[in-house]
Amino acid sequence: DAKTTQPPSMDCAEGRAANLPCNHSTISGNEYVYWYRQIHSQGPQYIIHGLKNNETNEMASLIITEDRKSSTLILPHATLRDTAVYYCIVRASGSARQLTFGSGTQLTVLP
Amino acid sequence: DGGITQSPKYLFRKEGQNVTLSCEQNLNHDAMYWYRQDPGQGLRLIYYSQIVNDFQKGDIAEGYSVSREKKESFPLTVTSAQKNPTAFYLCASRTQGAGNEQFFGPGTRLTVL
Repeated sequence: DAKTTQPPSMDCAEGRAANLPCNHSTISGNEYVYWYRQIHSQGPQYIIHGLKNNETNEMASLIITEDRKSSTLILPHATLRDTAVYYCIVRASGSARQLTFGSGTQLTVLP
Repeated sequence: DGGITQSPKYLFRKEGQNVTLSCEQNLNHDAMYWYRQDPGQGLRLIYYSQIVNDFQKGDIAEGYSVSREKKESFPLTVTSAQKNPTAFYLCASRTQGAGNEQFFGPGTRLTVL
């Protein structure tokens, strides 16, 4: 699975959009980009995933660059409850192995 | 409600004792996983199972054992051979197939005294 690079921490004002970047320059053609988040002392929560097209669901939007070497998770209107560690992961389709979690980005939403 | 349950949420054991952590899912998922998380770090895979009666070692399997006798259950035993067992343990499951996400349980925090 391709390695990902994320900033260790970010702050965002409540009500504003939070844009979390992720670099995955060695991603292969069959690897998906997944985003999870983990609130302190809880299990990780799935947010969204995509292959090459931009994706949107009720939680967030995922923007993947045309060359697929980077992506951005967008939380359109961040709330205090969005404060968490956000993990960007790439994994090959059909792979039964685990998701490889790095250190992620600690997002702090400020009142 | 469908989901993954782990019990207990907090567990204390004396050094040298084996302890078994429970993980149950009613999502009808084929694959199940055990991860360990240490403070300020990401998750590391201990064991995973793609199907009943079959499981594979992950990256840090030493000192741990698992069984998969039923589709719904994947218990993890932390043995006395695990040198540093105090950690947060997370169980997950997923349906086989491309692009399917993993669902995680709430975790068990094990403290060995």
